[in-house]
Amino acid sequence: ETGVTQTPRHLVMGMTNKKSLKCEQHLGHNAMYWYKQSAKKPLELMFVYNFKEQTENNSVPSRFSPECPNSSHLFLHLHTLQPEDSALYLCASSQERGPGELFFGEGSRLTVL
Amino acid sequence: GENVEQHPSTLSVQEGDSAVIKCTYSDSASNYFPWYKQELGKRPQLIIDIRSNVGEKKDQRIAVTLNKTAKHFSLHITETQPEDSAVYFCAANKGNDMRFGAGTRLTVKP
Repeated sequence: ETGVTQTPRHLVMGMTNKKSLKCEQHLGHNAMYWYKQSAKKPLELMFVYNFKEQTENNSVPSRFSPECPNSSHLFLHLHTLQPEDSALYLCASSQERGPGELFFGEGSRLTVL
Repeated sequence: GENVEQHPSTLSVQEGDSAVIKCTYSDSASNYFPWYKQELGKRPQLIIDIRSNVGEKKDQRIAVTLNKTAKHFSLHITETQPEDSAVYFCAANKGNDMRFGAGTRLTVKP
């Protein structure tokens, strides 16, 4: 099993839909992250969980709602999104919060119609 | 907060030539500088990193240099190959805050 797995890989949703992105890591890491990747922009950190506790929320709109039921799983619940939310959403994990290697998933490509 | 600028945004080189990508950062307290490679449709993967107590680090064809005084660091790829074609991201980390550059799309022409 690869280190960090994201599902679905592609998602198309209308602005009134509710959907969720899922991330699972099999590396025994304690920190998990959601990043947003838009074309020609830096990776934007959205949320951080360290030992299942949310430690950071980078002014993300409430239409994005994270959930971390345990240190291996991370969800991003989506509702009433806007077209500008279309992007690649990357999950990552690391041994602990702080300087060190991030292990990324392959991302969920989201299109909001 | 930290601000990371990355240049150039696109870079095209001939196979066998060298490629250099440069990043600058704003916070002198940043102390960890990784570089990630993202091939088309793939996940970003760490290729090399450097900490602030080191000026240069090399791993086969790739090297990173850090100038703390000027607050810039660079990625050097020698003897480029077509499989080096990808988007490269630099980042600067201070404490729990990691900021990424906007990326450089490198194309190596055979």
